[in-house]
Amino acid sequence: EAAVTQSPRNKVAVTGGKVTLSCNQTNNHNNMYWYRQDTGHGLRLIHYSYGAGSTEKGDIPDGYKASRPSQENFSLILELATPSQTSVYFCASGDAGYEQYFGPGTRLTVL
Amino acid sequence: GDKVKQSPSALSLQEGTNSALRCNFSIAATTVQWFLQNPRGSLINLFYLVPGTKENGRLKSAFDSKESYSTLHIRDAQLEDSGTYFCAAEENYGNEKITFGAGTKLTIKP
Repeated sequence: EAAVTQSPRNKVAVTGGKVTLSCNQTNNHNNMYWYRQDTGHGLRLIHYSYGAGSTEKGDIPDGYKASRPSQENFSLILELATPSQTSVYFCASGDAGYEQYFGPGTRLTVL
Repeated sequence: GDKVKQSPSALSLQEGTNSALRCNFSIAATTVQWFLQNPRGSLINLFYLVPGTKENGRLKSAFDSKESYSTLHIRDAQLEDSGTYFCAAEENYGNEKITFGAGTKLTIKP
């Protein structure tokens, strides 16, 4: 069974603070993704990775950085969090030609 | 603009009835995925499609790349089918990025 986990599951941050969201997958998938979900929108792609050491900009990368130190781990970094980054963040993993598997989500509130 | 447009945005059905959800694409979609986000917020993949059809139990999905649309049919709807259904399209096969629609919120009533 595919397994993608995220931590923390809930986070409250202050404006201007640094936030790191972590994702781990045990599927041995090459690709990993970070999305955010806001009311009225589907999921929007922030950053993705094709493998360890690789990060690519998605559709809405501004204000976010990503890090893929290993096959299993992919982090999303908000260096200077803003209230507009309050959202639910989903991580996913997948391989070319196959479906993506999603983690349970992280609810981030920036005050 | 909406690269992936889902309709309807919301739908309420009686248990035991059938429904059809649709996605229209303004991009040259090469593959389509359908997901269910359940009331707890978890995203469950339902189908991964190249052009053609797939069926799984009471669910059936079709993807027509030439006409740029995909459909999801739910037969004999059950209470546990409630949630938000998302389709997502890959624009270039192998670039491995997908674009989501805004979702269809489905409510099944007893």
